[in-house]
Amino acid sequence: NAGVTQTPKFRILKIGQSMTLQCTQDMNHNYMYWYRQDPGMGLKLIYYSVGAGITDKGEVPNGYNVSRSTTEDFPLRLELAAPSQTSVYFCASSFPRDRGYYEQYFGPGTRLTVT
Amino acid sequence: AQTVTQSQPEMSVQEAETVTLSCTYDTSESDYYLFWYKQPPSRQMILVIRQEAYKQQNATENRFSVNFQKAAKSFSLKISDSQLGDAAMYFCAYRSLTSGTYKYIFGTGTRLKVLA
Repeated sequence: NAGVTQTPKFRILKIGQSMTLQCTQDMNHNYMYWYRQDPGMGLKLIYYSVGAGITDKGEVPNGYNVSRSTTEDFPLRLELAAPSQTSVYFCASSFPRDRGYYEQYFGPGTRLTVT
Repeated sequence: AQTVTQSQPEMSVQEAETVTLSCTYDTSESDYYLFWYKQPPSRQMILVIRQEAYKQQNATENRFSVNFQKAAKSFSLKISDSQLGDAAMYFCAYRSLTSGTYKYIFGTGTRLKVLA
């Protein structure tokens, strides 16, 4: 299993540009999450999904959109990039309780800089 | 709402010594999971240990163990025989098991330095 993969690893955007961060997991996990981690800080939840076709907002959803058309993929869309979106973005996935211990499996992260 | 607090922004330990990282949390729930994650300079988040709240026995994983005090809402991580590879950010996380809840709450992290 590759686990959780994210692309790209690094990206520099100009203010106002848009991009999609890709996330794929091959563990057949139901739950998927997007976090951002600002320098020296913990993780803040942007969006999450409990299954294909079902998504919901986390703590900091403004400026982002997600979709979940398949179990495997959970892309994060940034529209009109702003410097405040400079961060490291992590995708994670987990099983529901009856299939595991709820721990999250994380991707390697995408470092995004908006200038 | 639940909160997770890690009051030690940075800790240092000599190689081969023992160090304890603190984590407290606030919740009114009785059933939940707690986790410690390690984030080395590579940024990859790695699960260190997990604890189910209904289990009174403290979890252990090799050199890593926890001191889970449910009444005090405390969940500290003890690293024994510290190694240079233990140097990383450590995050404490809470996961509610209330039906319909899917979110994890993370602390702000503790940076652990291991001195040779």
